[in-house]
This record gives sequence, structure tokens and C-alpha cells, in this order.
Amino acid sequence: ETGVTQSPTHLIKTRGQQVTLRCSSQSGHNTVSWYQQALGQGPQFIFQYYREEENGRGNFPPRFSGLQFPNYSSELNVNALELDDSALYLCASNPGFMNTEAFFGQGTRLTVV
Amino acid sequence: KQEVTQIPAALSVPEGENLVLNCSFTDSAIYNLQWFRQDPGKGLTSLLLIQSSQREQTSGRLNASLDKSSGRSTLYIAASQPGDSATYLCAVRGNYGQNFVFGPGTRLSVLP
Repeated sequence: ETGVTQSPTHLIKTRGQQVTLRCSSQSGHNTVSWYQQALGQGPQFIFQYYREEENGRGNFPPRFSGLQFPNYSSELNVNALELDDSALYLCASNPGFMNTEAFFGQGTRLTVV
Repeated sequence: KQEVTQIPAALSVPEGENLVLNCSFTDSAIYNLQWFRQDPGKGLTSLLLIQSSQREQTSGRLNASLDKSSGRSTLYIAASQPGDSATYLCAVRGNYGQNFVFGPGTRLSVLP
């Protein structure tokens, strides 16, 4: 077990709605990254937070936004949900240095109908 | 833009075989490379992390090698077991970013 926990594990939303996914990073890890994994594909980088500041962003529209809290837990918010947002959303944490191993949570399966 | 490919896309082998999974990346300016395992519908489990200055890493029956100049990494699994059945993902981290770029994965089935 990695110590990275995500909630909820499964979620069904209607197109146009908003959703918030949560991630509790491993103790001592101040960097959190979010990835989207569509069925049958590798994860795609959404963004990363380091000490409560966004520290990099992938090719995702602004309706994907995030937060990191002082305890280094994090949220991913998606507004105006589209059918293509249906995916497994993964959170990863590491101690903030590039040479360190990243640990992933179990993911949140989002289905947009 | 970094691109990562993995060959084969799927592999089915009888129990006990030794096997090799391949990962290729287009930009050799990487900081490190990490191999992950993913069970269906689950998150990623870290297997091995190789820094750009290293040639290989070993953990139990797993051995990963890295040839940065040719843009290749291999994951060697010795004496495969049915419990090894999963999708194996390769991910590279570039020198100027902390995010990973993932390959599409190799789906492995080990038959009893």
C-alpha cells in the first residue's frame, strides 16, 4: 500500500455538471500530480502542485483546476463535464525532488452520462 | 515533445517463462524512468525507478535496464507466474519537467 488515498473510488455524473476529486498524499510528500487515464491508454498529465502552487500543467482546458492544501492533500475540480471526461483519475505524490520515486493512489473512476 | 511507445501491446505466455517488455522514448534528455504495474481498474504500483545515470535496477524477479542514448528501456521478468498478469507501464520524466510521460502499456497474461 502506497499511502496515497483517493476519494471517491467511483462516481457517476451528468454532462454539464461539476465534480471534485480528492487526494491525500503520502506523509512527507509535498508534491502532488494528477493524471487522466482513458480506457486502454497510458495516463496523461493534467497538472502538478508543489507547496500549494501549480508547478506545471499538461494539455488540459481551464475547466480542469486544482488546489493543494497546507497538509499537502489536493483536489481536482472539473467544470462543465463532457462525455470524454469519463476516465480513471490518478493522483501521485513524491517528496518534491525529481530523482524520487512517485507513488500513485488507487484512482477515481469517473463516468459522465 | 516526448513520446513513449511500448512493444508488444499484449503478450500471453505460459507460467515459468522469462520475458522481456520493451519501452522506447523519442527524447533522450530524461531525468529518470519508472516502471509501473496496473491491475484492471486499479491504480499504479511502482516496480522500479532508474535514474538517467544508471544502467539497470533489480528487484526480486524483475530487472530493468536503461540505454538513454538509444532511447530504450527493457523490463525483464524471470520465471513468470500467473500473479504477474497485469498491464505494465513505462514512464519517463524529462530534465525540465517533473511530470511523467507514459507509454500505452503492455498487457501481460501468464497462463497456469
